[in-house]
Amino acid sequence: DVKVTQSSRYLVKRTGEKVFLECVQDMDHENMFWYRQDPGLGLRLIYFSYDVKMKEKGDIPEGYSVSREKKERFSLILESASTNQTSMYLCASSFSGEGRAIIQYFGAGTRLSVL
Amino acid sequence: QKEVEQDPGPLSVPEGAIVSLNCTYSNSAFQYFMWYRQYSRKGPELLMYTYSSGNKEDGRFTAQVDKSSKYISLFIRDSQPSDSATYLCAMSVGGNNRLAFGKGNQVVVIP
Repeated sequence: DVKVTQSSRYLVKRTGEKVFLECVQDMDHENMFWYRQDPGLGLRLIYFSYDVKMKEKGDIPEGYSVSREKKERFSLILESASTNQTSMYLCASSFSGEGRAIIQYFGAGTRLSVL
Repeated sequence: QKEVEQDPGPLSVPEGAIVSLNCTYSNSAFQYFMWYRQYSRKGPELLMYTYSSGNKEDGRFTAQVDKSSKYISLFIRDSQPSDSATYLCAMSVGGNNRLAFGKGNQVVVIP
């Protein structure tokens, strides 16, 4: 069974703190993704990575950075957390290539509150 | 105009009813059409997908794609309380690693 594990289910941080969200997958997937999910706005792609040390901006990368030093691990970094980054963060992974990339496997999510 | 439009309004139906969900899209290059299901406090998981136009059936679930109208649908027959979840449509051009998601529809099936 594919497993995508996010390090925390709930996080509470203060404005200005540096925040690390970690994601690990066990299926040797090439692609990994970070989304945020907000009521009325749906899933929005922050960053994705199609290989180790490679990253691509998604639709809302401002205020975020990512790191992928190993194939199985993809980290999302909030350099200086702000209240408008309070959200549910979802990590996903998939194989690469025609027909295979459409199946994304998601973690359970991290609910981040920035006070 | 967003690439994928899905009216996010919640939907409540009695058990046994047919649930009908739909999405419209603007990018004619989309080739793969997916429906993801997300239970409360969980991540989305792929329910079913269709390549190009046509219908696909899987048990009580039917997915339809009309590329000429840029319109996709998901039907759930004989709905059960266990079908209560948020359903997100998603689309891809294929050979491309990104998916374009709709906002999702929350469905509640009342026993």
